Amino acid sequence: GAVVSQHPSRVICKSGTSVKIECRSLDFQATTMFWYRQFPKQSLMLMATSNEGSKATYEQGVEKDKFLINHASLTLSTLTVTSAHPEDSSFYICSARASWSGHSYNEQFFGPGTRLTVL
Amino acid sequence: DAKTTQPPSMDCAEGRAANLPCNHSTISGNEYVYWYRQIHSQGPQYIIHGLKNNETNEMASLIITEDRKSSTLILPHATLRDTAVYYCIVRVAGWGKLQFGAGTQVVVTP
Repeated sequence: GAVVSQHPSRVICKSGTSVKIECRSLDFQATTMFWYRQFPKQSLMLMATSNEGSKATYEQGVEKDKFLINHASLTLSTLTVTSAHPEDSSFYICSARASWSGHSYNEQFFGPGTRLTVL
Repeated sequence: DAKTTQPPSMDCAEGRAANLPCNHSTISGNEYVYWYRQIHSQGPQYIIHGLKNNETNEMASLIITEDRKSSTLILPHATLRDTAVYYCIVRVAGWGKLQFGAGTQVVVTP
């Protein structure tokens, strides 16, 4: 139980295009999802927190108009990187907080990550 | 959330116990200690968490000092697959954001 999936696992796009990354909680409902970014040899940096049906809350320094987050259902959140540039190339990881996972109440589980490369 | 301090790296021999320390001297009374690990190019994996009592599960044991200012994650019999970055995080259980520090790079050698 408590599985989080991401799609795609890898994506390469041209500069100026937009890329959408999906995050799904497969066997539990997630009222809250988180998006992280990780550059090579660095730790995970929290980008934003999204609650189902509400606008996302972005961390300081994260451009909300560039990183569009939608959390329309209890099992799906999407991150769209708009007008991507090479500096947006990174490892994007989502996390879902379970209302009840069968393992632990209100705990957070992570997806496998999406490697974005912008040429 | 309180911050944590971990050694940047440590090596461990396969089959031996790995003891990973973490300092969290400013932890609040309602904050738990969480441990996650991240194997290269994968998402973080939950290991264990605790408040003040020692905890054990199928993956590891967590020893928290009586004053709660530090803790130790114990991998009882390290295998090569335990090579990863291990993160110690403190936060209110089930709520708040998981903020990752630099973690400890653990390398298990044959």
